Parts: sequence; C-alpha cells; structure tokens
Amino acid sequence: DTGVSQDPRHKITKRGQNVTFRCDPISEHNRLYWYRQTLGQGPEFLTYFQNEAQLEKSRLLSDRFSAERPKGSFSTLEIQRTEQGDSAMYLCASSMEGPRAQHFGDGTRLSIL
Amino acid sequence: AQTVTQSQPEMSVQEAETVTLSCTYDTSESDYYLFWYKQPPSRQMILVIRQEAYKQQNATENRFSVNFQKAAKSFSLKISDSQLGDAAMYFCAYRSAYNAGNMLTFGGGTRLMVKP
Repeated sequence: DTGVSQDPRHKITKRGQNVTFRCDPISEHNRLYWYRQTLGQGPEFLTYFQNEAQLEKSRLLSDRFSAERPKGSFSTLEIQRTEQGDSAMYLCASSMEGPRAQHFGDGTRLSIL
Repeated sequence: AQTVTQSQPEMSVQEAETVTLSCTYDTSESDYYLFWYKQPPSRQMILVIRQEAYKQQNATENRFSVNFQKAAKSFSLKISDSQLGDAAMYFCAYRSAYNAGNMLTFGGGTRLMVKP
C-alpha cells in the first residue's frame, strides 16, 4: 500500500492559465474522489469516479472544472482559465467500493498570481 | 442536504490531559456513517475513527473515543492522554449510507493545540 499520490504538490500559475493535477489512487481502490479545501475550511466534495465512470459531477464548481479517469486508474483534474478564487488545496481520495474509509493524498496547493 | 458543524475553531489541551472536540450534524436520513479525520500541518488527512449510525455502541480506537448521540445528532471526539503529535486540524465528516457515491460532507474543522 503506497498510499494516494498527488502531483504536483504545489502549482503557481497566472490568472487565465489552464492547470492540470494528477492523482494516483491506492492500486486496489476502484473509487476515486476529488475535494477542494480553502484556507481554514473543511474539504468540499467536487466529483467522484467508480472505475472509469464519473458518477457524480454536479458539484464541480463551474464548467471550467473537469475531471477524467480514462483507464480506471489515475485521474486528472483540470481547471481552465483559472481565477483568483480557484486558489485552494485540491485533495484526492480513494476507497474500495462500499462503506469503506476514504484514504487521502497530500493534496495539490494551487496559487493564482 | 446534510450539514456538519464544528463550533470550536480552536482548542488547547495540556499534554497527558483529556480533550473533547464537538461536532453536530443535520440530516433526515436514518442510516449513515460519521468520521473524525486528522490533518497535521502540511500533511495528509488520516482517518482517526468511524461510527456507524445503526450501532449504539460508541467507537473507540486506543486513546480516541466518540460520544455518539443519534437523537441529538451529536458526535464528539474524546482524546485521552494527549500527546504532542495529536496537534492538528480535526474534521468531523458525514457520509450517507444511501448515496451510492458515499461522498463525505465535512465540518469546518477544529485546530487542536497541545501544550507541553
């Protein structure tokens, strides 16, 4: 069990640029979640996948946000035309199917200049 | 929609003492799961303890225990014999047993400081 891995750990970009984050879940986990955490707040759910299927995406913050998990393994979260308000920590978590605990990665901290 | 409230933004405890962190939640569902997660500074969030709503017995994990009051929709975390390594943000989280996605709804967190 190597844990959930996220890359990069920190991303600094200018407003208006596109950014993409990667998440590698624990290998035997078929569920993968994305959350956003702003400073001083608890994480906020964005979207989740079961295998390669994105089963919930209504909580994505705007149409600038999209996520993929093309082969049911790693996932990417893309933010297009970044805005100041996108500055946050983006957390990925994975779990087995069913009422299992979610395991979190270290997160990617996004800073918009 | 479910909501989770942590009314204590910060708590402080002396090393070796006991501290209780509060959490309340609002739901119309009868079956769900509750969690406490710990997030040390600049480190990943880790699960501390979980409670199934259908179980009346309070969960315990070593020095960590919960007081689950279903009727009051209260779920507090007790940390006994506090250690310096317990210093972190603590988040209470709710998960529905009915929603297939099982996404977590988090409270705003409590920052726990441990004094040597």
